[in-house]
Amino acid sequence: GQSLEQPSEVTAVEGAIVQINCTYQTSGFYGLSWYQQHDGGAPTFLSYNGLDGLEETGRFSSFLSRSDSYGYLLLQELQMKDSASYFCAVSGNTPLVFGKGTRLSVIA
Amino acid sequence: GAVVSQHPSWVICKSGTSVKIECRSLDFQATTMFWYRQFPKQSLMLMATSNEGSKATYEQGVEKDKFLINHASLTLSTLTVTSAHPEDSSFYICSALSGGGRYEQYFGPGTRLTVT
Repeated sequence: GQSLEQPSEVTAVEGAIVQINCTYQTSGFYGLSWYQQHDGGAPTFLSYNGLDGLEETGRFSSFLSRSDSYGYLLLQELQMKDSASYFCAVSGNTPLVFGKGTRLSVIA
Repeated sequence: GAVVSQHPSWVICKSGTSVKIECRSLDFQATTMFWYRQFPKQSLMLMATSNEGSKATYEQGVEKDKFLINHASLTLSTLTVTSAHPEDSSFYICSALSGGGRYEQYFGPGTRLTVT
């Protein structure tokens, strides 16, 4: 089977940096994706790591270590609009399997 | 980028009726689409994989006779919730699989189903 672990909630201050970790157990691993979901909306794709290392997209960066079955999403210069749920998801020879999500609250 | 649409965006129906939800890939062909369900404050749970021209593959615990999936073309998959009950009230999200060797799923905006 497949399982992912990520923190359920994180609170951070506007302008700060926050890191959301994700560990996974899976077979047939292709890569780790991150999705953002605001209340009432659908998930939107943020980033994908198929190889070890850091991928940077604007204020968001994502890291993967395949040997450690670990990845993280880094959000910099936090804004109030970043308050949302963030899901890591593994892709392999099966459809995306999502973690339970991390609820990020950005406070002033 | 790849765009996936869903229709309707929300629907309210009475218990015992059936509801059809459409998922369309607007600017690409998707031989494979997925249907997820999400209850409040929970994660997305895969219900089934829909393959164009063949029967859908359902996840364990999902009743195939209750959740009918049809993928009749390369751009359209439908999910029909038959004999809906209040416990079927949920957020239903489809996604379409990209091609080109990169395993990326593009999600529709979701359909909020409320069964009264």
